[in-house]
Amino acid sequence: QVQLVQSGAEVKDPGASVRISCKASGYTFTTYYLHWVRQAPGQGLEWMGIINAGGGGTTYVQKFQGRITMTRDTSTSTVFMEMSSLRSEDTAIYYCARIPFTGARGLAYWGQGTPVTVSS
Amino acid sequence: DIQMTQSPSFLSASVGDRVTITCRASQGISGNLAWYHQKPGKAPNLLIYDASTLQSGVPSRFSGSGSGTDFTLTISSLQPGDFATYYCQQLDTYPFTFGPGTKVDIK
Repeated sequence: QVQLVQSGAEVKDPGASVRISCKASGYTFTTYYLHWVRQAPGQGLEWMGIINAGGGGTTYVQKFQGRITMTRDTSTSTVFMEMSSLRSEDTAIYYCARIPFTGARGLAYWGQGTPVTVSS
Repeated sequence: DIQMTQSPSFLSASVGDRVTITCRASQGISGNLAWYHQKPGKAPNLLIYDASTLQSGVPSRFSGSGSGTDFTLTISSLQPGDFATYYCQQLDTYPFTFGPGTKVDIK
């Protein structure tokens, strides 16, 4: 069965960087894109960007350009999302997610979420 | 960017009620829309993809309709586990924006 397992909670100082991992299993890793979505406390869902797990190509939301980098390691079926210059507004739960099958427009598989707290 | 709006933002209903939530896109997105519900402390759960296709394992009381800019999620008979926040998301054009959410609460 498809599983996305994320790394654990992080606490960071303002200005620091964080790197979150999302390990995929139960399917051919390079077949699908992985999405990143975040949710600040008490707020809605915010789509951040996407990485092609096969070719490595990425698309980021413009507000995060220059601050986030999404990468993948095909040898371990893992994608990473790194965010730099953290500020308090980046405190959120970060999720990776995937569509159910090629061509479907919806995110069926989600990681468990990684809480990131940015506080001095 | 495509802006997504939802109405209502809050809805109070009883078990057994028929509930309808509307989602509107700022420009046409064909049928490239998904619906989710989310409970506190949990990841979102996909209900509908491609605007009207029921995700595997989701009860048939959920249905979606619409195309272009206007979409609807209907719950035919609200059940206790359906009290949650509902989000739409367009997956037509990057960035794949979400609606602000509709919280469905117990009357």
